Amino acid sequence: AQSVTQPDIHITVSEGASLELRCNYSYGATPYLFWYVQSPGQGLQLLLKYFSGDTLVQGIKGFEAEFKRSQSSFNLRKPSVHWSDAAEYFCAVTSGTYKYIFGTGTRLKVLA
Amino acid sequence: NAGVTQTPKFQVLKTGQSMTLQCAQDMNHEYMSWYRQDPGMGLRLIHYSVGAGITDQGEVPNGYNVSRSTTEDFPLRLLSAAPSQTSVYFCASSNGPNLHGYTFGSGTRLTVV
Repeated sequence: AQSVTQPDIHITVSEGASLELRCNYSYGATPYLFWYVQSPGQGLQLLLKYFSGDTLVQGIKGFEAEFKRSQSSFNLRKPSVHWSDAAEYFCAVTSGTYKYIFGTGTRLKVLA
Repeated sequence: NAGVTQTPKFQVLKTGQSMTLQCAQDMNHEYMSWYRQDPGMGLRLIHYSVGAGITDQGEVPNGYNVSRSTTEDFPLRLLSAAPSQTSVYFCASSNGPNLHGYTFGSGTRLTVV
């Protein structure tokens, strides 16, 4: 069965520092992969997606993610974090159906 | 362009009561889904639809009903509310979930007492 693991429940970084949020998936074929961000009291917003091609994908708000098939990972990165990036981040995977499997989320705190 | 609109934003129900969570989208999206979000569990799929008149079950469908009579609307019905259904519910729509991702509504926070 497909699964998505986000091993870090909470991450705290200082403003201006770099960020990497981890996502590992379990699936036999190449999945469709997504990162979403959720600000407090809001719905989820799509940051970026991968389904084929270049394994480094760029998203909105300066985020990028790299698909590594050998490690079954799709980690989210940002070179310099801003205070407004404080939110909860979700990784999601689908096999090509319309059913997403979401990770349990990583809550990001940004220190001034 | 309103996107995905969910009503109500907050609701308190008594055990055994029924209610309908409303979801409407104005983007002419074929695909719509309902998720519930619980602390430490991420989002779990309740029901989804690939077009008007077509619905199917997700991961946690028990206690919920859906119908899709129009492209725009995808209501979620709680048949007999239970405390275990206390959650935040999100509706989402897409014109191609695998390639374009989903657009989410702002959620309905439901408490069952």
